[in-house]
Amino acid sequence: KQEVTQIPAALSVPEGENLVLNCSFTDSAIYNLQWFRQDPGKGLTSLLLIQSSQREQTSGRLNASLDKSSGRSTLYIAASQPGDSATYLCAVRGFPRGSTLGRLYFGRGTQLTVWP
Amino acid sequence: NAGVTQTPKFRVLKTGQSMTLLCAQDMNHEYMYWYRQDPGMGLRLIHYSVGEGTTAKGEVPDGYNVSRLKKQNFLLGLESAAPSQTSVYFCASTYRGQQNYGYTFGSGTRLTVV
Repeated sequence: KQEVTQIPAALSVPEGENLVLNCSFTDSAIYNLQWFRQDPGKGLTSLLLIQSSQREQTSGRLNASLDKSSGRSTLYIAASQPGDSATYLCAVRGFPRGSTLGRLYFGRGTQLTVWP
Repeated sequence: NAGVTQTPKFRVLKTGQSMTLLCAQDMNHEYMYWYRQDPGMGLRLIHYSVGEGTTAKGEVPDGYNVSRLKKQNFLLGLESAAPSQTSVYFCASTYRGQQNYGYTFGSGTRLTVV
Protein backbone atom coordinates (compact mmCIF):
# COMPACT_ATOMS: atom_id res chain seq x y z
CA LYS A 1 0.00 0.00 0.00
CA GLN A 2 1.24 3.47 -0.88
CA GLU A 3 2.33 5.53 2.15
CA VAL A 4 2.79 9.30 1.86
CA THR A 5 4.74 11.23 4.47
CA GLN A 6 5.17 14.97 4.78
CA ILE A 7 7.94 16.61 6.71
CA PRO A 8 7.90 18.84 8.66
CA ALA A 9 4.45 18.62 10.20
CA ALA A 10 4.61 22.32 11.07
CA LEU A 11 6.80 25.19 10.03
CA SER A 12 6.93 28.79 11.24
CA VAL A 13 9.05 31.31 9.35
CA PRO A 14 9.40 35.08 9.05
CA GLU A 15 8.11 36.81 5.96
CA GLY A 16 10.47 36.81 3.01
CA GLU A 17 12.11 33.46 3.58
CA ASN A 18 12.40 30.85 0.87
CA LEU A 19 11.21 27.51 2.14
CA VAL A 20 10.92 23.88 1.16
CA LEU A 21 8.19 21.44 2.06
CA ASN A 22 8.92 17.75 1.66
CA CYS A 23 6.79 14.82 0.58
CA SER A 24 7.93 11.21 0.32
CA PHE A 25 6.10 8.15 -0.96
CA THR A 26 6.87 4.46 -0.73
CA ASP A 27 5.79 3.19 -4.16
CA SER A 28 7.44 4.87 -7.12
CA ALA A 29 4.81 3.59 -9.57
CA ILE A 30 2.75 6.76 -9.47
CA TYR A 31 0.50 8.30 -12.11
CA ASN A 32 0.91 11.87 -10.93
CA LEU A 33 1.46 13.93 -7.79
CA GLN A 34 -0.57 16.94 -6.73
CA TRP A 35 0.09 19.65 -4.15
CA PHE A 36 -2.87 21.26 -2.45
CA ARG A 37 -3.36 24.17 -0.11
CA GLN A 38 -5.98 24.18 2.62
CA ASP A 39 -6.91 27.25 4.61
CA PRO A 40 -8.51 26.78 8.05
CA GLY A 41 -12.13 25.70 7.74
CA LYS A 42 -11.93 25.59 3.95
CA GLY A 43 -11.64 23.05 1.18
CA LEU A 44 -8.60 21.96 -0.80
CA THR A 45 -7.21 24.18 -3.54
CA SER A 46 -4.96 22.61 -6.14
CA LEU A 47 -1.58 24.31 -6.48
CA LEU A 48 0.50 22.19 -8.82
CA LEU A 49 0.33 18.82 -10.52
CA ILE A 50 3.33 16.86 -11.76
CA GLN A 51 2.89 13.93 -14.12
CA SER A 52 5.04 10.88 -13.43
CA SER A 53 7.21 11.63 -16.47
CA GLN A 54 7.90 15.22 -15.42
CA ARG A 55 10.57 16.58 -13.09
CA GLU A 56 9.04 19.87 -12.02
CA GLN A 57 6.23 22.35 -12.40
CA THR A 58 6.17 26.06 -11.61
CA SER A 59 3.41 28.52 -10.85
CA GLY A 60 4.38 32.00 -9.73
CA ARG A 61 6.41 31.75 -6.53
CA LEU A 62 5.76 28.02 -6.27
CA ASN A 63 7.92 25.28 -7.72
CA ALA A 64 7.28 21.59 -7.25
CA SER A 65 9.81 18.93 -8.12
CA LEU A 66 9.46 15.19 -8.45
CA ASP A 67 12.12 12.48 -8.11
CA LYS A 68 10.14 9.35 -8.73
CA SER A 69 13.04 6.95 -8.33
CA SER A 70 13.73 8.13 -4.79
CA GLY A 71 10.06 8.62 -3.94
CA ARG A 72 10.31 12.31 -3.18
CA SER A 73 8.68 15.58 -4.07
CA THR A 74 9.40 19.06 -2.79
CA LEU A 75 7.35 22.21 -2.85
CA TYR A 76 9.49 25.31 -2.93
CA ILE A 77 7.93 28.62 -1.92
CA ALA A 78 9.95 31.70 -2.77
CA ALA A 79 9.78 34.95 -0.81
CA SER A 80 7.12 33.71 1.57
CA GLN A 81 4.27 36.02 2.63
CA PRO A 82 1.80 35.94 5.53
CA GLY A 83 -0.89 35.06 2.99
CA ASP A 84 0.94 31.79 2.35
CA SER A 85 -0.01 30.60 5.83
CA ALA A 86 -2.05 27.42 5.37
CA THR A 87 -1.73 23.67 5.43
CA TYR A 88 -0.05 22.16 2.39
CA LEU A 89 -1.01 18.65 1.37
CA CYS A 90 0.75 16.26 -0.97
CA ALA A 91 -1.29 13.62 -2.79
CA VAL A 92 -0.10 10.75 -4.96
CA ARG A 93 -2.33 9.12 -7.54
CA GLY A 94 -1.93 5.47 -8.45
CA PHE A 95 -2.22 4.21 -11.99
CA PRO A 96 -5.81 3.88 -13.21
CA ARG A 97 -5.70 0.09 -13.32
CA GLY A 98 -5.50 -2.89 -11.02
CA SER A 99 -5.29 -2.42 -7.27
CA THR A 100 -4.53 1.29 -7.54
CA LEU A 101 -7.48 2.02 -9.82
CA GLY A 102 -8.98 5.30 -8.74
CA ARG A 103 -6.84 5.67 -5.62
CA LEU A 104 -5.40 8.91 -4.31
CA TYR A 105 -3.07 8.80 -1.32
CA PHE A 106 -2.61 11.81 0.94
CA GLY A 107 0.06 12.90 3.34
CA ARG A 108 -1.02 14.52 6.60
CA GLY A 109 0.20 17.91 5.53
CA THR A 110 2.60 20.63 6.62
CA GLN A 111 1.06 23.48 8.57
CA LEU A 112 2.85 26.65 7.50
CA THR A 113 2.82 29.93 9.40
CA VAL A 114 4.50 32.97 7.90
CA TRP A 115 4.72 35.86 10.33
CA PRO A 116 5.30 39.51 9.41
CA ASN B 1 -19.37 27.69 -12.73
CA ALA B 2 -17.85 24.28 -13.31
CA GLY B 3 -16.82 22.43 -10.22
CA VAL B 4 -17.79 20.13 -7.40
CA THR B 5 -20.79 21.17 -5.32
CA GLN B 6 -21.58 19.68 -1.93
CA THR B 7 -24.86 20.05 -0.08
CA PRO B 8 -25.50 20.78 2.68
CA LYS B 9 -22.57 22.83 3.94
CA PHE B 10 -23.43 22.39 7.61
CA ARG B 11 -25.62 19.97 9.49
CA VAL B 12 -26.28 18.95 13.07
CA LEU B 13 -27.75 15.50 13.63
CA LYS B 14 -28.91 13.67 16.69
CA THR B 15 -27.48 10.23 17.35
CA GLY B 16 -29.43 7.65 15.42
CA GLN B 17 -30.76 10.00 12.76
CA SER B 18 -30.07 9.44 9.10
CA MET B 19 -29.04 11.80 6.36
CA THR B 20 -27.66 11.95 2.84
CA LEU B 21 -24.86 14.17 1.63
CA LEU B 22 -24.97 15.08 -2.03
CA CYS B 23 -22.00 15.67 -4.28
CA ALA B 24 -22.57 16.97 -7.80
CA GLN B 25 -19.99 17.65 -10.51
CA ASP B 26 -20.56 19.11 -13.96
CA MET B 27 -17.18 18.25 -15.49
CA ASN B 28 -18.13 14.79 -16.80
CA HIS B 29 -15.62 13.15 -14.45
CA GLU B 30 -15.65 9.39 -14.22
CA TYR B 31 -14.12 9.12 -10.75
CA MET B 32 -15.74 10.46 -7.59
CA TYR B 33 -14.73 10.19 -3.94
CA TRP B 34 -15.88 10.82 -0.41
CA TYR B 35 -13.31 11.70 2.24
CA ARG B 36 -13.57 12.64 5.87
CA GLN B 37 -11.11 14.93 7.59
CA ASP B 38 -10.53 14.89 11.31
CA PRO B 39 -7.93 16.76 13.39
CA GLY B 40 -4.68 14.82 13.55
CA MET B 41 -5.98 12.10 11.20
CA GLY B 42 -5.63 13.73 7.83
CA LEU B 43 -7.93 12.88 4.94
CA ARG B 44 -9.34 9.37 4.98
CA LEU B 45 -11.14 7.77 2.07
CA ILE B 46 -14.64 6.52 2.86
CA HIS B 47 -15.93 5.26 -0.49
CA TYR B 48 -15.22 5.97 -4.11
CA SER B 49 -16.64 5.32 -7.55
CA VAL B 50 -14.85 4.76 -10.84
CA GLY B 51 -17.98 5.03 -12.94
CA GLU B 52 -21.74 5.30 -12.98
CA GLY B 53 -23.31 2.42 -11.14
CA THR B 54 -20.06 1.31 -9.46
CA THR B 55 -18.82 1.94 -5.94
CA ALA B 56 -15.94 0.66 -3.82
CA LYS B 57 -14.91 0.82 -0.19
CA GLY B 58 -12.08 3.00 1.00
CA GLU B 59 -10.22 3.00 4.30
CA VAL B 60 -13.11 3.84 6.65
CA PRO B 61 -16.38 2.64 5.05
CA ASP B 62 -18.19 1.38 8.16
CA GLY B 63 -21.38 3.25 8.97
CA TYR B 64 -21.65 4.78 5.50
CA ASN B 65 -23.31 3.80 2.23
CA VAL B 66 -22.98 5.36 -1.19
CA SER B 67 -24.71 5.38 -4.53
CA ARG B 68 -23.76 6.58 -7.99
CA LEU B 69 -26.92 6.30 -10.04
CA LYS B 70 -25.97 9.19 -12.29
CA LYS B 71 -22.49 10.03 -13.49
CA GLN B 72 -22.62 13.55 -12.12
CA ASN B 73 -23.86 12.68 -8.63
CA PHE B 74 -22.33 10.74 -5.76
CA LEU B 75 -24.41 10.33 -2.61
CA LEU B 76 -23.07 9.52 0.85
CA GLY B 77 -25.57 8.15 3.35
CA LEU B 78 -25.44 7.79 7.09
CA GLU B 79 -28.14 5.34 8.15
CA SER B 80 -27.79 5.79 11.91
CA ALA B 81 -25.49 8.66 12.82
CA ALA B 82 -23.01 8.28 15.67
CA PRO B 83 -20.92 10.95 17.45
CA SER B 84 -17.80 9.32 15.92
CA GLN B 85 -19.07 10.49 12.54
CA THR B 86 -18.69 14.12 13.52
CA SER B 87 -16.29 15.35 10.89
CA VAL B 88 -15.78 17.45 7.81
CA TYR B 89 -16.69 15.56 4.66
CA PHE B 90 -15.15 16.32 1.30
CA CYS B 91 -16.15 15.14 -2.12
CA ALA B 92 -13.69 15.04 -5.01
CA SER B 93 -13.70 14.04 -8.66
CA THR B 94 -11.39 13.58 -11.63
CA TYR B 95 -11.08 12.03 -15.06
CA ARG B 96 -10.10 8.40 -15.40
CA GLY B 97 -7.16 8.53 -17.76
CA GLN B 98 -5.82 12.06 -18.03
CA GLN B 99 -2.42 12.12 -16.39
CA ASN B 100 -2.15 15.89 -16.63
CA TYR B 101 -5.40 16.44 -14.81
CA GLY B 102 -5.76 16.46 -11.06
CA TYR B 103 -8.49 16.20 -8.53
CA THR B 104 -11.14 18.85 -7.87
CA PHE B 105 -12.54 19.09 -4.37
CA GLY B 106 -15.80 20.46 -3.06
CA SER B 107 -15.88 22.99 -0.25
CA GLY B 108 -16.90 20.46 2.36
CA THR B 109 -19.80 19.55 4.64
CA ARG B 110 -19.31 20.11 8.33
CA LEU B 111 -21.34 17.50 10.21
CA THR B 112 -21.87 17.40 13.95
CA VAL B 113 -23.58 14.44 15.59
CA VAL B 114 -24.80 15.09 19.13
